[in-house]
Amino acid sequence: KQEVTQIPAALSVPEGENLVLNCSFTDSAIYNLQWFRQDPGKGLTSLLLIQSSQREQTSGRLNASLDKSSGRSTLYIAASQPGDSATYLCAVGGSQGNLIFGKGTKLSVKP
Amino acid sequence: GAGVSQSPSNKVTEKGKDVELRCDPISGHTALYWYRQSLGQGLEFLIYFQGNSAPDKSGLPSDRFSAERTGGSVSTLTIQRTQQEDSAVYLCASSPRGLGSRTGELFFGEGSRLTVL
Repeated sequence: KQEVTQIPAALSVPEGENLVLNCSFTDSAIYNLQWFRQDPGKGLTSLLLIQSSQREQTSGRLNASLDKSSGRSTLYIAASQPGDSATYLCAVGGSQGNLIFGKGTKLSVKP
Repeated sequence: GAGVSQSPSNKVTEKGKDVELRCDPISGHTALYWYRQSLGQGLEFLIYFQGNSAPDKSGLPSDRFSAERTGGSVSTLTIQRTQQEDSAVYLCASSPRGLGSRTGELFFGEGSRLTVL
């Protein structure tokens, strides 16, 4: 059974810092991995989708990497801003078409 | 519509009553998912519809939970004889279908917050 773990559970940084969020999964037989952002009381917004054949994806200040063999992904946020404050969720897609989610990292960027 | 639409956004009900939650996916998306998010918990998979295939119901927590998808579009999640532990945010997502069995990008609705008193 696939399990997804995100570390740390919470993170507080000053504005401008570069930061890394970690995601690990137990079953490397995945089709893709997706990073989401969730603001309080809101649904999830897709940030980056990495297919299993890819090593990384970039969108603006965000870069996500995928290492299937080690069961890990990282989300790198450059030059963090207070508007980046949210919970970041990692989810892995398997052969059944479902996504299994981690519990998220709650990020707070202080001005 | 432009995004996934869910209704109601908030629902307060009494223990033992039945509730229905509705999801309108993005037009043309063939895959539809229901997830549940309890306070302080991650997203818990409930059920997955893909086109005309039989749904994957493996995540439904009990036989009080059921879902249907009519005409390959709108979906309704029904919870019968609600219990207090059913209180959560119920999130719906849709996805365009990729090649083979690969999961495409998921687009989520804002969720329906259910409170069972």
